[in-house]
Amino acid sequence: GENVEQHPSTLSVQEGDSAVIKCTYSDSASNYFPWYKQELGKRPQLIIDIRSNVGEKKDQRIAVTLNKTAKHFSLHITETQPEDSAVYFCAASIKGSARQLTFGSGTQLTVLP
Amino acid sequence: ETGVTQTPRHLVMGMTNKKSLKCEQHLGHNAMYWYKQSAKKPLELMFVYNFKEQTENNSVPSRFSPECPNSSHLFLHLHTLQPEDSALYLCASSQGREAFFGQGTRLTVV
Repeated sequence: GENVEQHPSTLSVQEGDSAVIKCTYSDSASNYFPWYKQELGKRPQLIIDIRSNVGEKKDQRIAVTLNKTAKHFSLHITETQPEDSAVYFCAASIKGSARQLTFGSGTQLTVLP
Repeated sequence: ETGVTQTPRHLVMGMTNKKSLKCEQHLGHNAMYWYKQSAKKPLELMFVYNFKEQTENNSVPSRFSPECPNSSHLFLHLHTLQPEDSALYLCASSQGREAFFGQGTRLTVV
C-alpha cells in the first residue's frame, strides 16, 4: 500500500519568515495530494490540494509543489503569522479524492512572534 | 460551523466495558470514515463506508466494530479495548476531494 513520509516533525520559524514542509510517497499511482491543518484542539481542515497533472498551485501565502518523478511534494508558507501555528498533515490518494487517503505523520509548526 | 458532529467528545472506559462512538453529518455526503489519531503518528484510516456499504477495513482489530445505518450516521462500537487503543478517534465525510472532519472523541482506556 501507499506510504507517506513527512519531514520535519517539528518546525519553528520567526514571524514573517517562510516555512517549508516536505513529503514523499511510495505509490506512483497516487494522483491527489491534499494538505490539512489542525490547530490545537480542533479538527483537521483542508487548506490546499494538488493533482498529479499540475506541478504547482498557490493560494495567497501558501503554495504546494509536486515532483512526480521524484515522488515528493512540499508545502510552502510565506510571510508566516502566529495563526499559522498548527500541525500540518500531507496526504496522498490513488483515487483522486478523499477516499483511501494515506496521511503523513504531521509537522508541528510554531511561528514565533 | 461544523457539518460533522461526534459524540461524546471525551470517553473513559475500562477494558471490559462496551461503548459506542457516534458520528452524524449534515452535508449530504455519501462517504463516511473512521480515523484513529495517536500522538506523533499519522492519521490512520480505519473504516470507509460509501453509500452505507463498507468498502475498506484497514486491518482493524475486531474489538472495533463499525455500523452505518444510513448515509448520515456512523457508529464505532467498542468492546474489550486495550490501553494502547487510547487515542483521538475522528470521523469524516466526503463527497469528492475534501474530507470534512468532526471534532473527534478523545478515548482513554484504563
